[in-house]
Amino acid sequence: NAGVTQTPKFQVLKTGQSMTLQCAQDMNHEYMSWYRQDPGMGLRLIHYSVGAGITDQGEVPNGYNVSRSTTEDFPLRLLSAAPSQTSVYFCASSYSFGDPPRKLFFGSGTQLSVL
Amino acid sequence: DAKTTQPPSMDCAEGRAANLPCNHSTISGNEYVYWYRQIHSQGPQYIIHGLKNNETNEMASLIITEDRKSSTLILPHATLRDTAVYYCIDPANAGGTSYGKLTFGQGTILTVHP
Repeated sequence: NAGVTQTPKFQVLKTGQSMTLQCAQDMNHEYMSWYRQDPGMGLRLIHYSVGAGITDQGEVPNGYNVSRSTTEDFPLRLLSAAPSQTSVYFCASSYSFGDPPRKLFFGSGTQLSVL
Repeated sequence: DAKTTQPPSMDCAEGRAANLPCNHSTISGNEYVYWYRQIHSQGPQYIIHGLKNNETNEMASLIITEDRKSSTLILPHATLRDTAVYYCIDPANAGGTSYGKLTFGQGTILTVHP
């Protein structure tokens, strides 16, 4: 089991560029989510998905798009990068049932800089 | 919104017990308290969870008060590798599509000294 895999680990973008942060999990988890973490702050939920074909917004969704075509993958798209999106991004997954339901497994993160 | 209150920072000597407190006075009756930690530059790591009884696993112990308004995470023999930010989490919603929808606050920065 690789767990939750995020790529790339580091990325530098120019303002206005688009890119996709990849997230994949091999644990057959129904639930997947994206968080961002800014210096000195806790994690903030961007988008989440409770299963293939189902996504919803979190606390800070503006500027980001997601889709969930398979159980394994949950990519995060930045349509037009802005300096305010400079952050560390974490993908997480969990079972949607079982004990405990909110035991999240996190990836190692993607550090994104937008110039 | 469900909120928790934790001290911003704590120190502990290596080999001693680290006791991290958390107030979660608005937690609902059927909701677990979760603890995670984040070692520098890594993704958060699940530690333990509890409902009303004290819990222990290979990483830590969790003591929950009888009124469930507060809890204490105990690392019985802290090591330098336990230096991290520790998050106490009261899930915002119970059940349904909120599974996994955790809100992480500022947490407590635990520094373990030699």
